[in-house]
Amino acid sequence: DQQVKQNSPSLSVQEGRISILNCDYTNSMFDYFLWYKKYPAEGPTFLISISSIKDKNEDGRFTVFLNKSAKHLSLHIVPSQPGDSAVYFCAARTSGSGNTGKLIFGQGTTLQVKP
Amino acid sequence: DAGVTQSPTHLIKTRGQHVTLRCSPISGHKSVSWYQQVLGQGPQFIFQYYEKEERGRGNFPDRFSARQFPNYSSELNVNALLLGDSALYLCASGQGPFSYEQYFGPGTRLTVT
Repeated sequence: DQQVKQNSPSLSVQEGRISILNCDYTNSMFDYFLWYKKYPAEGPTFLISISSIKDKNEDGRFTVFLNKSAKHLSLHIVPSQPGDSAVYFCAARTSGSGNTGKLIFGQGTTLQVKP
Repeated sequence: DAGVTQSPTHLIKTRGQHVTLRCSPISGHKSVSWYQQVLGQGPQFIFQYYEKEERGRGNFPDRFSARQFPNYSSELNVNALLLGDSALYLCASGQGPFSYEQYFGPGTRLTVT
């Protein structure tokens, strides 16, 4: 039961162009969505989050868009830089009683930014 | 400020053995969560502890247990190790019990042979 899905295992873009990473979810009870970046031999690094009551959140080069009707979110990186090359994970948290900090992760998308 | 620290970095164990992994959260953070990441997959939630109490448990067998100490550090214990337990074990800290923004440590790579 994969509640959070990242259907693209990999993405390759040219430096300076836009990177768009996609994520789909099935659980309408998710109240927060997050993106993490992971380099080899390191733990995931928090990038940006969005509340389910918003449709856009921006932080520097990173923007996350949420389309609740489609149960879809995307992370835009503009402009992409070679240092952005990493595995990107989409994650979500469930709202409701008994809420915890439990995050449900997608499988990850490997982004390669070519110089 | 130091981030989340985990020890050891790497560990090799034999099937049937027991292992203890350790985590220290970011200073001021009281919540610690444990995740298991198998190669090619996203992290999977194992436990969350807040103020020394278990707040959530993922779909893992009873061989997995954890605890949190008064200084908010935490241990993850796995008994009767199986080959399938080989994974990267990640610890994440958050400020409160419902913190959605969590900060991960570098992980402990466990190999079971």
